[in-house]
Amino acid sequence: DSGVTQTPKHLITATGQRVTLRCSPRSGDLSVYWYQQSLDQGLQFLIQYYNGEERAKGNILERFSAQQFPDLHSELNLSSLELGDSALYFCASSVLGTGVGDEQFFGPGTRLTVL
Amino acid sequence: DAKTTQPNSMESNEEEPVHLPCNHSTISGTDYIHWYRQLPSQGPEYVIHGLTSNVNNRMASLAIAEDRKSSTLILHRATLRDAAVYYCILINGGTSYGKLTFGQGTILTVHP
Repeated sequence: DSGVTQTPKHLITATGQRVTLRCSPRSGDLSVYWYQQSLDQGLQFLIQYYNGEERAKGNILERFSAQQFPDLHSELNLSSLELGDSALYFCASSVLGTGVGDEQFFGPGTRLTVL
Repeated sequence: DAKTTQPNSMESNEEEPVHLPCNHSTISGTDYIHWYRQLPSQGPEYVIHGLTSNVNNRMASLAIAEDRKSSTLILHRATLRDAAVYYCILINGGTSYGKLTFGQGTILTVHP
């Protein structure tokens, strides 16, 4: 158990809908990261927050948005869903968010299925 | 970010050492070498990282070539629980912040 929790574990929805994925980081970790894992694209970095502020952005679509709240939990919002958004979404957390020597702890993931 | 190259797959027998290679010929002087692994149906898990010197921890050892253009993750005695996809990742503290750029990784199969 990494100490990072993600809810829900599974989500099934229809095209065009909007969903929210939630992540609670390990106690004391200030940085949260979101990753997407699909069969054709592999594991891809989406976005990073540090202490409530966006720090780095990856291949995140405009239909996707995220935020980190004062209690440090984070939410990833996915809207106008398409079939291709079906994937595993991982949240990770780390203490500093500097990357170097700053081990990331991953949650169990949320499996999103868009029908 | 500098790229890494890993074999697609490797096999090992239980209780034998495993050497997982990674090539990173375009590594810069400030790139750190990180290894993560992903067990089936789980999120990735940190294994080890280093800059220039070899590193050891409870999970594995990391051997870094003198020119830093390659590295090897060493599992001293493979167990069935070590069967996973292993990712070699370069992180530049000055530019990448925390983002991890995962490649294809090496699928390690461990035979009983």
